[in-house]
Amino acid sequence: EIVLTQSPATLSLSPGERATLSCRASQSVSSYLAWYQQKPGQSPRLLIYDTSNRATGIPARFSGSGSGTDFTLTISSLEPEDFAVYYCLQRSNWPPYTFGQGTKLQIK
Amino acid sequence: QVQLQQWGAGLLKPSETLSLTCAVYGGSFSAYYWSWIRQPPGKGLEWIGEINDSGNTNYNPSLKSRLTISVDTSKNQFSLKLTSVTAADTAVYYCARGSNWLDPWGQGSLVTVSS
Repeated sequence: EIVLTQSPATLSLSPGERATLSCRASQSVSSYLAWYQQKPGQSPRLLIYDTSNRATGIPARFSGSGSGTDFTLTISSLEPEDFAVYYCLQRSNWPPYTFGQGTKLQIK
Repeated sequence: QVQLQQWGAGLLKPSETLSLTCAVYGGSFSAYYWSWIRQPPGKGLEWIGEINDSGNTNYNPSLKSRLTISVDTSKNQFSLKLTSVTAADTAVYYCARGSNWLDPWGQGSLVTVSS
């Protein structure tokens, strides 16, 4: 089973700043990596799929990059509604899907 | 636009069977896999398993011995049964459309296991 490790566990930033979140896989997942956003009391929402493709309705300030084992989610300029928990998900070695443990993005 | 609505018992005693159902509205039910995912309180996400309209299933090995996922194509519904639950099975359970990425998701159902 592929293990995804996200860093940092918690990221404290201010609105307007740039956020960089990392996801590292225990073995190559090619480009089969996605990012989700989850706000308290809500279901996860797909942001980025296949490493760098924005899902429908996702603002352009969200971008994804990487390949193989190292991936990054970048939020270019944080809006107040962006503070949430972010998860990466791989489907390269599927089933099973595996998730990272999450990065909490909080207001500084 | 595809929407998923889920329901099931919210409070169970240890050793009982967890049972949840997810209905799919709008879009195509066939040609997709349909997944269950869970999230213990304050923790991360765990993929449980999936089924397609032909009844083909894939299960998380960690739960396989207790798990059954079934489908009712006449109602565009799929269901989860998890036997012999313990407190460790307390979580919010989600259904989601799969095949490629898990999207969209149902609203979530909190299942609490307590004596």
